Amino acid sequence: NAGVTQTPKFQVLKTGQSMTLQCAQDMNHNSMYWYRQDPGMGLRLIYYSASEGTTDKGEVPNGYNVSRLNKREFSLRLESAAPSQTSVYFCASSANHRVDQPQHFGDGTRLSIL
Amino acid sequence: LAKTTQPISMDSYEGQEVNITCSHNNIATNDYITWYQQFPSQGPRFIIQGYKTKVTNEVASLFIPADRKSSTLSLPRVSLSDTAVYYCLVGVSDMRFGAGTRLTVKP
Repeated sequence: NAGVTQTPKFQVLKTGQSMTLQCAQDMNHNSMYWYRQDPGMGLRLIYYSASEGTTDKGEVPNGYNVSRLNKREFSLRLESAAPSQTSVYFCASSANHRVDQPQHFGDGTRLSIL
Repeated sequence: LAKTTQPISMDSYEGQEVNITCSHNNIATNDYITWYQQFPSQGPRFIIQGYKTKVTNEVASLFIPADRKSSTLSLPRVSLSDTAVYYCLVGVSDMRFGAGTRLTVKP
């Protein structure tokens, strides 16, 4: 099983450009998440989708939008990229939106904004 | 929301037992305690979870005292490959990973 698949794995953008990060899971999970991780830091939750058709803000939502396209796919969009958004982005999914439901993570997207 | 406090870093040597403690003084009755492990350049992976007393699996043990205000992740006989960041999460729906504990295992 692929688990959680993120595309692309690497991307370089110029300030002001837009981009959509893609995430898909094949575990029939209800909940999906987007995190960012800056160098030497822990993960910070950007947005999450507790179930298909719903999205909610996390700790650091400013500058991002998300779309839960269907049960499998959850995308993250940067409308006007800024250097402060240089980070590694992780997508995750879990059976339900509960801490006691383990999250499964993708391999990350390494995004640099010049 | 239960806030967690962990040591920023720990060093150990191969073959030793490592105990990482997480403090969560404001834990609520329904909160679970979950630990994740993150290797460099990878996403975190779930390693163990508990509600009270002791939980053990093939990777680690989790000790939770009766008052549940702290928990201890125990890694038996660590190897170099256990070098990673370990995160403690507490709650029902609060997915805050915090900075975690950076464990370095030395030869």
